[in-house]
Amino acid sequence: DVKVTQSSRYLVKRTGEKVFLECVQDMDHENMFWYRQDPGLGLRLIYFSYDVKMKEKGDIPEGYSVSREKKERFSLILESASTNQTSMYLCASRSGTSGGNEQFFGPGTRLTVL
Amino acid sequence: AQTVTQSQPEMSVQEAETVTLSCTYDTSENNYYLFWYKQPPSRQMILVIRQEAYKQQNATENRFSVNFQKAAKSFSLKISDSQLGDTAMYFCASQKLYNFNKFYFGSGTKLNVKP
Repeated sequence: DVKVTQSSRYLVKRTGEKVFLECVQDMDHENMFWYRQDPGLGLRLIYFSYDVKMKEKGDIPEGYSVSREKKERFSLILESASTNQTSMYLCASRSGTSGGNEQFFGPGTRLTVL
Repeated sequence: AQTVTQSQPEMSVQEAETVTLSCTYDTSENNYYLFWYKQPPSRQMILVIRQEAYKQQNATENRFSVNFQKAAKSFSLKISDSQLGDTAMYFCASQKLYNFNKFYFGSGTKLNVKP
């Protein structure tokens, strides 16, 4: 059974704190993703990684950075959390170097920044 | 960027009836992939169905089928014999063939199946 896990389901942080969101997949997938989900906006891609230490910006990378030191783990970092980063964060992974393969999603982390 | 539009924020259907969720998209590509994902309340998002744009035949997965109209750039999802477990947010998404790590999602449709 394929699995993508995220370190926390709920997280509350204060403005200015450094926040780490962790994602682990056990499917040996090359590609991993971080999305932000907001009501009425759907999912928006923050960053993705297609290999260890490789990353590319998505549509809304401002205020975020990522790290992929091992194939199975992809971290999202909020260097200085702000209230407008309060959101649901979804991690996903997929295999392959061509289109059509589905993404497998984690359960999400609901982050609140006070 | 590709734009995906879901014009129905929320829909309701009676158990055992049929419901259709709408999705339109904007692309200049000739070949691409389209997906419907389901996100049940407090549960992980899962793939419902996918369609490759160059295939004429509409995809079907059990009670789920699509009506793919390439010229109209429309990709609707039909759920037959609706079940309570179909209650979820449904997201339509597109993916370019050659920029395959870029997925574009619609804003979602919340489907409530009533007993």
